Formats: sequence, C-alpha cells, structure tokens
Amino acid sequence: DAGVIQSPRHEVTEMGQEVTLRCKPISGHDYLFWYRQTMMRGLELLIYFNNNVPIDDSGMPEDRFSAKMPNASFSTLKIQPSEPRDSAVYFCASSLGAKSNIQYFGAGTRLSVL
Amino acid sequence: GNSVTQMEGPVTLSEEAFLTINCTYTATGYPSLFWYVQYPGEGLQLLLKATKADDKGSNKGFEATYRKETTSFHLEKGSVQVSDSAVYFCALSGTEGGGSNYKLTFGKGTLLTVNP
Repeated sequence: DAGVIQSPRHEVTEMGQEVTLRCKPISGHDYLFWYRQTMMRGLELLIYFNNNVPIDDSGMPEDRFSAKMPNASFSTLKIQPSEPRDSAVYFCASSLGAKSNIQYFGAGTRLSVL
Repeated sequence: GNSVTQMEGPVTLSEEAFLTINCTYTATGYPSLFWYVQYPGEGLQLLLKATKADDKGSNKGFEATYRKETTSFHLEKGSVQVSDSAVYFCALSGTEGGGSNYKLTFGKGTLLTVNP
C-alpha cells in the first residue's frame, strides 16, 4: 500500500482565502484523524472519523474549520476564511481501530497564510 | 483527562552515546503506550509500542518498558547514531471506551540531535 496520501504538500495562500486539504487513508482503515502541528502548541487532534462518520470534533478550533469524509477513501479539511494564525503543518492519519490502534501518518501539508 | 509529559528538549548527544527520553502519563484505565518518531520533513511513524504493564517495546535498538507503578514509558537506546536525529513523541491511547480508545494523546515531542 502507498500509505496515507496528503495533498498538497505545501500551500501558500492569502488571508481570507479558502483552503482545502485532502487526505486518502490506507485502504481498509476505518478510522481517520486530522491533526495540526505548530511549534507553540505541538500536535493537536482536530477531528476524527469512524466509518466516514465524525466522532469527535472538539479539537476543531473555530467554525472556520470544517472536515468531511464523503467515502472511505477520501477526506477533506477546509478552512474558510483562512487567517495567518492557521499557518501550521496539518497531518492526516488512519488506523484499523479495533484491530490495531496504531496510527499511520501522511507526510503532512505545510500551510502558510500570508 | 489523559495526558502525557515528556522531557523538554532539545537533547544533543555525540554518536554512540546512551539516550534516555523520559515520558510519564496520566490516564484512567489501562492505555496502550507508544513512541513515535518524526524525521525532518516527514510525518510521524511508529517506533515501538506496549499494550500492558511490564511489556517492553523494542525496535531499531530502541526500548521502552511500560511501568504502571511509576506511570512511565521512558525511551532508551544504548548507542545512538547520527541517523537517529529526529523528534520523538510519547503517546497513549484513549481509555474512555468505545471509539475514543483509538485516538492518541501525544506529548509535546523531544528534539534529538546526534553529532558525529
């Protein structure tokens, strides 16, 4: 398997623009997680899904952030409108859940909001 | 709630030195414990794990033992290499039951630099 695939790897945008980050989990994994990593706050769990259903979105910082998982092989994290403080590396991870709680991470999307 | 505390970095060592990175946790129930490693420009990857008290996880010369009495999971390696330079994260699984068992709580990470 190719592992968890995230796109784009880098995104530079201007304040106020909409940003969409994409993730393809490992085939067969039924849990998907979105994280944000910054120097100040470390690694934060934003939201996670089980079988495409959001289970816990308590880590989503504001209403400007939204995440969807329309099917088992695709998820998006959207920020609208973006702000400079959203600049971070965003990671997607997937796992087998009940069979194994090991999470496999993508390479991340480095977002810069100017 | 669950939490993980790991030693602040950065840690700088010479090649072949002994490494210890301390990790302690607070959790209700019996979590699984993990060490993840993040190399520059990459995502996190599992280094080792332990699922119950007194279990020892090991991989690539790294070891950590699940100590319930001290709520610790310290990472050790007897002889580090330049290629071990990375950020190391201690983590624990959820314990509240149901789907929350599959989310992880991470420590803040410890940057290790190994010089030749």
